[in-house]
Amino acid sequence: EAQVTQNPRYLITVTGKKLTVTCSQNMNHEYMSWYRQDPGLGLRQIYYSMNVEVTDKGDVPEGYKVSRKEKRNFPLILESPSPNQTSLYFCASRITRQSYEQYFGPGTRLTVT
Amino acid sequence: LAKTTQPISMDSYEGQEVNITCSHNNIATNDYITWYQQFPSQGPRFIIQGYKTKVTNEVASLFIPADRKSSTLSLPRVSLSDTAVYYCLVGDMLDTGRRALTFGSGTRLQVQP
Repeated sequence: EAQVTQNPRYLITVTGKKLTVTCSQNMNHEYMSWYRQDPGLGLRQIYYSMNVEVTDKGDVPEGYKVSRKEKRNFPLILESPSPNQTSLYFCASRITRQSYEQYFGPGTRLTVT
Repeated sequence: LAKTTQPISMDSYEGQEVNITCSHNNIATNDYITWYQQFPSQGPRFIIQGYKTKVTNEVASLFIPADRKSSTLSLPRVSLSDTAVYYCLVGDMLDTGRRALTFGSGTRLQVQP
């Protein structure tokens, strides 16, 4: 089954404790991205990657890092999480940059205390 | 991406046709129009995409007038399960991929029995 998976689905952590949210897709898609969703603010793109070793900032990249060492994986790293990064995070992939048909993962609900 | 404007919310009843309009006055020549659906606590799901006139699939129809400054997503005979937030995106299919994909606030559709 074609899908985007994320782990963990739920995470509660404390300020400053580094964490990684994994994202994997099995569709051989070139383009992957991370979004956060907050009430009243909609979905905002954090980082995106057009292919292996190619990443770029989205609208709200501060406080996040990403890497793209393999085509299928695109982990999101919070080096020093803060409470304002409490949010619902989605990973997405699309076949190429010439398509807006994105496939989203199930989401990761992160709480930073 | 071109800025989009949608109604914040809409109400309908089961069995009715629902039309959600998106305004995108500064749409560019190479821009395509894409619509997504999102249920609570789930990632958005691609519905339909078009450039001009009319596009129809098994889920919805997309109407785009000649000036392309707006578009209308039409959902035929909605059911309770169509209650969701609907997002309109406008973007260049031929771009370098180096622009972030931005979702607006969307339209919250509530379908009543």
